[in-house]
Amino acid sequence: DTGVSQDPRHKITKRGQNVTFRCDPISEHNRLYWYRQTLGQGPEFLTYFQNEAQLEKSRLLSDRFSAERPKGSFSTLEIQRTEQGDSAMYLCASSLFRGGDEKLFFGSGTQLSVL
Amino acid sequence: DQQVKQNSPSLSVQEGRISILNCDYTNSMFDYFLWYKKYPAEGPTFLISISSIKDKNEDGRFTVFLNKSAKHLSLHIVPSQPGDSAVYFCAAPSYNTDKLIFGTGTRLQVFP
Repeated sequence: DTGVSQDPRHKITKRGQNVTFRCDPISEHNRLYWYRQTLGQGPEFLTYFQNEAQLEKSRLLSDRFSAERPKGSFSTLEIQRTEQGDSAMYLCASSLFRGGDEKLFFGSGTQLSVL
Repeated sequence: DQQVKQNSPSLSVQEGRISILNCDYTNSMFDYFLWYKKYPAEGPTFLISISSIKDKNEDGRFTVFLNKSAKHLSLHIVPSQPGDSAVYFCAAPSYNTDKLIFGTGTRLQVFP
């Protein structure tokens, strides 16, 4: 399978716990994005990397959220001290950006439920 | 202001007929638009795109039309099939950053 892979697919946690999600992009892709989607809404941008550099973070991303892409390959998204409002589908996407129009390829997402 | 709006949350169409999904945007600086399709419990998959230098792009049963003066685009699916039942998102890259801005989606139901 050469698509974007996300792990885990589902995560149930108690409020106040920390969670970490992993994303493996398509191998030759240089950009990696994190989005969050809640019911009835479109995906909302959280952050993105070009290679290992984090180029932009949304204001939605509070101090409890941190993302890394240490070697420019896979990425992790950590949420500390989870809150019920963090319950959402967390989507990862990757792209091969060479300038110009860009097409994102999404993974199947991690569904987070905070109890 | 950079927004992409899909004002119809749902659409129901009979199999074989045309489905028309609409999208409006607020910023005339947007110059590239994409449609994504999403099945439950899966990530969005790319469907079709259009650059602002064109007013139409076609790919099989899917055609996207762009009306720049009205800041409006539409996705036509002809003929509609039950497998097309999904949520469709319109998206555009922000004009001053590279992030994609999504609409809220339209749920299409194609019935036999």
